[in-house]
Amino acid sequence: GQNIDQPTEMTATEGAIVQINCTYQTSGFNGLFWYQQHAGEAPTFLSYNVLDGLEEKGRFSSFLSRSKGYSYLLLKELQMKDSASYLCAVKLSAGNNRKLIWGLGTSLAVNP
Amino acid sequence: EAQVTQNPRYLITVTGKKLTVTCSQNMNHEYMSWYRQDPGLGLRQIYYSMNVEVTDKGDVPEGYKVSRKEKRNFPLILESPSPNQTSLYFCASAQLAPTGELFFGEGSRLTVL
Repeated sequence: GQNIDQPTEMTATEGAIVQINCTYQTSGFNGLFWYQQHAGEAPTFLSYNVLDGLEEKGRFSSFLSRSKGYSYLLLKELQMKDSASYLCAVKLSAGNNRKLIWGLGTSLAVNP
Repeated sequence: EAQVTQNPRYLITVTGKKLTVTCSQNMNHEYMSWYRQDPGLGLRQIYYSMNVEVTDKGDVPEGYKVSRKEKRNFPLILESPSPNQTSLYFCASAQLAPTGELFFGEGSRLTVL
């Protein structure tokens, strides 16, 4: 079967750093996406990793280890507006197939 | 502005009354998809389309129909809605490039009484 695990909820303080983990067990792997979703709104793209290592994009970074089936999203200098759900999604196969397996999301609350 | 537009954004209807949720994208994307999102179940794919006149079932297609007569439009049809189709629905589109991320519409919150 296909499985993606993320913590359900996390809490952090404004200005701090938080790491949101995602582990996956899937029948194929051709990339991992992170999306941000504010309550009642659409998911928006944050990052995409297909090779091992760290991808940095401003305050957000995403890491992938394919051998461990593991990724994390690192948020630095947290702001109140970062309070949202963070969704991890695995792309199963190469080429034009868009099949994604979605995690249930991690709800992050940033407190002042 | 690049966007995916869904209508209606909110709808309350009754069991059995056919409805259509429209979806339109202005990015010339080949790929379009419908998802539903429910608490504790996450995003689940209903149908997707790789190009005009090419559609296929996702993980939860029962009770839904789609069509792709034009590249920009991908309507979702509920022929006979039932209460278990009460959900938040998202349309999304993407380029067919392997790294092409999904662009989501704002969502349509549907309640079936």
